[in-house]
Amino acid sequence: AQKITQTQPGMFVQEKEAVTLDCTYDTSDPSYGLFWYKQPSSGEMIFLIYQGSYDQQNATEGRYSLNFQKARKSANLVISASQLGDSAMYFCAMREMNTGFQKLVFGTGTRLLVSP
Amino acid sequence: GAVVSQHPSWVICKSGTSVKIECRSLDFQATTMFWYRQFPKQSLMLMATSNEGSKATYEQGVEKDKFLINHASLTLSTLTVTSAHPEDSSFYICSARVPRVVSSYNEQFFGPGTRLTVL
Repeated sequence: AQKITQTQPGMFVQEKEAVTLDCTYDTSDPSYGLFWYKQPSSGEMIFLIYQGSYDQQNATEGRYSLNFQKARKSANLVISASQLGDSAMYFCAMREMNTGFQKLVFGTGTRLLVSP
Repeated sequence: GAVVSQHPSWVICKSGTSVKIECRSLDFQATTMFWYRQFPKQSLMLMATSNEGSKATYEQGVEKDKFLINHASLTLSTLTVTSAHPEDSSFYICSARVPRVVSSYNEQFFGPGTRLTVL
């Protein structure tokens, strides 16, 4: 079963606009963490934001915020005031805390293109 | 943040040769490192989990005799692709788990990746 689902293969947004990248997850572990990473064309994985399953508030990091809806099992990434440099692949990932090694499982990714 | 390096950043080799990729945690000790493989326009697929001083744990479908992993020290893990073939051409990324004293939520920091091309 797919643990992390990103249904948007590609998204377009105009510079300075906000954009939401969708992510849903599936787990029976009550303790888990959700992550978003950015991968530019250079290939490096850049950590953006983290949300713990027990966190009461949605995580925010600068222009990034995570819209965490636990009952719906969704963890959408919101990028405000998009910049040209935001064009990249974005991956949602989950770590189940009670499984061996707490490995990260990634979604298929969303390619974001920011236009001037 | 914590820094993870990989060497080489890219490598081209002939079919049948072996290639070693190094993953180093530069400013922290990593008891656990992970190796991922990424084909073009696809997601990262976990190949194996590497623990210092013990055998690596491979994901289902990953040939342990083909992808040899050694985690000889707390700052170094190596992935050796043995008898490489063109289908092994891919982007290989390692990551290291940051100790809780460094990060409160136990992030993994990724290396910059190694692009392997087998001719």
